[in-house]
Amino acid sequence: EAQVTQNPRYLITVTGKKLTVTCSQNMNHEYMSWYRQDPGLGLRQIYYSMNVEVTDKGDVPEGYKVSRKEKRNFPLILESPSPNQTSLYFCASCPSLRANEKLFFGSGTQLSVL
Amino acid sequence: EDQVTQSPEALRLQEGESSSLNCSYTVSGLRGLFWYRQDPGKGPEFLFTLYSAGEEKEKERLKATLTKKESFLHITAPKPEDSATYLCAVRGGYNKLIFGAGTRLAVHP
Repeated sequence: EAQVTQNPRYLITVTGKKLTVTCSQNMNHEYMSWYRQDPGLGLRQIYYSMNVEVTDKGDVPEGYKVSRKEKRNFPLILESPSPNQTSLYFCASCPSLRANEKLFFGSGTQLSVL
Repeated sequence: EDQVTQSPEALRLQEGESSSLNCSYTVSGLRGLFWYRQDPGKGPEFLFTLYSAGEEKEKERLKATLTKKESFLHITAPKPEDSATYLCAVRGGYNKLIFGAGTRLAVHP
């Protein structure tokens, strides 16, 4: 089954404790992206990747890091989480941004930073 | 600045009561307008893409239309299973995808 898989689904942590949210897609998509979703603000892009070893900042990149060493994986790293990073996070992918393809989303990771 | 505004924020309908959701946008060089459906606890799922003013797409009880300034998602004779949050997104000339905050739809029997 074609899908985008995120882990974990729920995560509670404390300020300053490094964490990684994993994202994997099995559709051989070139483009992958991370979003955060907050009430009243919609989905905001954190980082995106056009292909392996090619990443760029989205609208709200501060406090986040990403890497794209393999085509299928695009982990989101919070080196020193803070309470304002409490949010619902989604990973998404599509075959190619140039082709204006629809995005496939993961099921989300609800993060709480205490 | 590119912007997407959805209205209303929330909508409550009785089963069978048709209505429309609005997505107003300002973007430089529209390359596509997307509608997604999001169920609680899940990621958004793609519904439609519209590319130019006058275009319409249909799927079951949903019909999406597009003008130069806004898009409507018409829901005809909705059922409780249509309850979800509906998201609108636009892709502009810089290939950037911008999402609206969504409309929460509740359809009651």
